[in-house]
Amino acid sequence: SQQGEEDPQALSIQEGENATMNCSYKTSINNLQWYRQNSGRGLVHLILIRSNEREKHSGRLRVTLDTSKKSSSLLITASRAADTASYFCATTGGFKTIFGAGTRLFVKA
Amino acid sequence: NAGVMQNPRHLVRRRGQEARLRCSPMKGHSHVYWYRQLPEEGLKFMVYLQKENIIDESGMPKERFSAEFPKEGPSILRIQQVVRGDSAAYFCASSPDGTSSGNTIYFGEGSWLTVV
Repeated sequence: SQQGEEDPQALSIQEGENATMNCSYKTSINNLQWYRQNSGRGLVHLILIRSNEREKHSGRLRVTLDTSKKSSSLLITASRAADTASYFCATTGGFKTIFGAGTRLFVKA
Repeated sequence: NAGVMQNPRHLVRRRGQEARLRCSPMKGHSHVYWYRQLPEEGLKFMVYLQKENIIDESGMPKERFSAEFPKEGPSILRIQQVVRGDSAAYFCASSPDGTSSGNTIYFGEGSWLTVV
């Protein structure tokens, strides 16, 4: 299975702290994406990193990709209560984009 | 610029009834994907369609589920004779080209099906 697997499953931090979520996958990919989902809502695309890239930044987000280890990490710096959501990595290696089970992040004010 | 539009947002069906979920992709997008999300779980791929063609339906249950994306109109995910286990959120996504081209897929807000 190509499915990404995130860890931790759940993460609780204080506002202002950094949050790091990891994703591992099994097969070769074209790109890896991170999405965010608030409870009861659809998925919002955060960032895409291609297989030939190692790191990407977008605002308070930093994504790394290590294709030799088949892993990626999402770092959210200076977290806010509004960052509370589920975060999913998704890998694309052909026609399909496959999602992991997600990390549930809770940021306490 | 309207995003991916799904309707209905919420749907309640009795066991044995049919559920029809509709998805209009973003303007200019000709590729549509359907995913199912059970409570507290990630998204499971169901089917990938282009206009008038099913490209990959490897995630679709063999019975009762079907999908189409006609030349005109929205994509439809149809579930016949619904059972309680079909209760889930069904998400549609679209992209301008296939994801093998490295494109991002954009999601709708989902349709929440409850089978009573």
